[in-house]
Amino acid sequence: GDSVTQMEGPVTLSEEAFLTINCTYTATGYPSLFWYVQYPGEGLQLLLKATKADDKGSNKGFEATYRKETTSFHLEKGSVQVSDSAVYFCALSDMDSNYQLIWGAGTKLIIKP
Amino acid sequence: EPEVTQTPSHQVTQMGQEVILRCVPISNHLYFYWYRQILGQKVEFLVSFYNNEISEKSEIFDDQFSVERPDGSNFTLKIRSTKLEDSAMYFCASRRRGSDNSPLHFGNGTRLTVT
Repeated sequence: GDSVTQMEGPVTLSEEAFLTINCTYTATGYPSLFWYVQYPGEGLQLLLKATKADDKGSNKGFEATYRKETTSFHLEKGSVQVSDSAVYFCALSDMDSNYQLIWGAGTKLIIKP
Repeated sequence: EPEVTQTPSHQVTQMGQEVILRCVPISNHLYFYWYRQILGQKVEFLVSFYNNEISEKSEIFDDQFSVERPDGSNFTLKIRSTKLEDSAMYFCASRRRGSDNSPLHFGNGTRLTVT
């Protein structure tokens, strides 16, 4: 079945550092790919998404490109801030999963001033 | 911006007790979901609900679980007889349509602790 694998955390960076959180997926169909973020004490928020190969999702300085050839959707940000500290979840959905979200395990990001 | 609200934010209960977790989805949304996240583990799908009936459920959603939309605004998850392993964060979500073109909106979650 469909699955999502993302890098284990926590990831600890200094402010203004470059961020990459890796995400790879397996799917039989043509999934849509998502990054969700969970700030401390809050719910899950959609950060960005991409619905087809080579699409780039972007929001709040974060970007991720849908790479079908490597089945990846890595999250990047050029210069992180303390306020980016959160848990980041990669997820996919497709017709095979009835558009239910299939989630990665989450990656905790800690940004130090 | 309208949001999904969940109450309570934290519920502590004893093993064997019944709990009801409440959610108010966004008012013009038609599809409703419950997910859960056991501490340190992945978010897992429990159930989806549309047109006043369950449209899909996972293996986790056994006879101990039920969902209801008792009125035009609330969407509840009931656990009949809680077990220790039901301790988790429970997220309610809603979307306007049942496809990827309609994003899922999540509530802040209810942390259920079974002692």
